Amino acid sequence: DAKTTQPNSMESNEEEPVHLPCNHSTISGTDYIHWYRQLPSQGPEYVIHGLTSNVNNRMASLAIAEDRKSSTLILHRATLRDAAVYYCILRSYGGSQGNLIFGKGTKLSVKP
Amino acid sequence: AAGVIQSPRHLIKEKRETATLKCYPIPRHDTVYWYQQGPGQDPQFLISFYEKMQSDKGSIPDRFSAQQFSDYHSELNMSSLELGDSALYFCASSPLGLGDTGELFFGEGSRLTVL
Repeated sequence: DAKTTQPNSMESNEEEPVHLPCNHSTISGTDYIHWYRQLPSQGPEYVIHGLTSNVNNRMASLAIAEDRKSSTLILHRATLRDAAVYYCILRSYGGSQGNLIFGKGTKLSVKP
Repeated sequence: AAGVIQSPRHLIKEKRETATLKCYPIPRHDTVYWYQQGPGQDPQFLISFYEKMQSDKGSIPDRFSAQQFSDYHSELNMSSLELGDSALYFCASSPLGLGDTGELFFGEGSRLTVL
């Protein structure tokens, strides 16, 4: 499976934007870029995903580099409830029925 | 809206005992995934089922087995429990056969403690 690289941790102030980077230099043409987050003592939660174009939803925005070797998850206004571990995951829709393989995510701390 | 239901939420077992975890996917979801998350670790993929057939296998020990039933619920059976099996076990479901939205829906997890 293609791998991703994320910073171990990041800090943000409440109500400020947060940019969470992810490198995936070995991404293949069939890999979608998925972001999940895990709040303390909860199951992972889907945030957003994309293939080539930037994506927006009610939770966040996903900016994908033109060569697709990196992406950035953008939280427009961080709240205390956004403190979580954020995982950038490449998910292929090929033969493995789309399993998510979690790597090392970024632990986001949000300061009031 | 209905979510993924896991039971039991907490389970305490002794070493060498067996345990069974159950997962009820969101209605009309045909795919179930199992993950194990040890203390301070990231979720590790164990196994997945699509339309009641095993579709992929991850780092699931030979002492563990799982299946998906006709009503799409799934059970993870763990035998000869070891201390290292203490973890949170998450189940997730998705509607692959009905048009994949790209999203896996996770349950709240079952916490297994092996003493």
